[in-house]
Amino acid sequence: GAVVSQHPSRVICKSGTSVKIECRSLDFQATTMFWYRQFPKQSLMLMATSNEGSKATYEQGVEKDKFLINHASLTLSTLTVTSAHPEDSSFYICSARGTRGDTGWTFFGQGTRLTVV
Amino acid sequence: QQQVKQSPQSLIVQKGGISIINCAYENTAFDYFPWYQQFPGKGPALLIAIRPDVSEKKEGRFTISFNKSAKQFSLHIMDSQPGDSATYFCAASRGRGGKLIFGQGTELSVKP
Repeated sequence: GAVVSQHPSRVICKSGTSVKIECRSLDFQATTMFWYRQFPKQSLMLMATSNEGSKATYEQGVEKDKFLINHASLTLSTLTVTSAHPEDSSFYICSARGTRGDTGWTFFGQGTRLTVV
Repeated sequence: QQQVKQSPQSLIVQKGGISIINCAYENTAFDYFPWYQQFPGKGPALLIAIRPDVSEKKEGRFTISFNKSAKQFSLHIMDSQPGDSATYFCAASRGRGGKLIFGQGTELSVKP
């Protein structure tokens, strides 16, 4: 199956610093990438949708100035958590949607565990 | 209208048994219904998906049953194994490139 690589898998940062998470589609072109946040034992909460070459669309309640998303190419999207605080600690997951036949398929990265201390 | 409701929240099944997870949706514009499996600390992995023009799809031990009139779909895991113990999410989306709306998840535990 298609591979989506997310890096880093774990990161610990100090409060007030910024953290960048990368999401790459390794064997297909992803016209659309999604970023999710997941709290323990909960479902995935969509944060934003990014399309290559255009500004990301953020879900209601998500601070776009805090969670900066860049989709510079058809294989790379980045999420930067700016001025991170302990409440930003969470599991962040990206997904990339390509096309296969007449159905769009979405594949997920491995996730990034962010801990802000 | 955007919600996807999933049940049960947790499920315990004996090895060799059948695990059944159900989902219901409201938005009739949804036309893509995947199921994902997630192990702790990992991202979700696509298991199987169905489109509304078929009523059933089977891949190995995993089967999706789809009832368009009732707006419901379910995942059946036959011959459940301890290695199937994970959290399962149903989802739905509208069209190609549409964002996925996830169910609340079901934590499956298969006892040996």
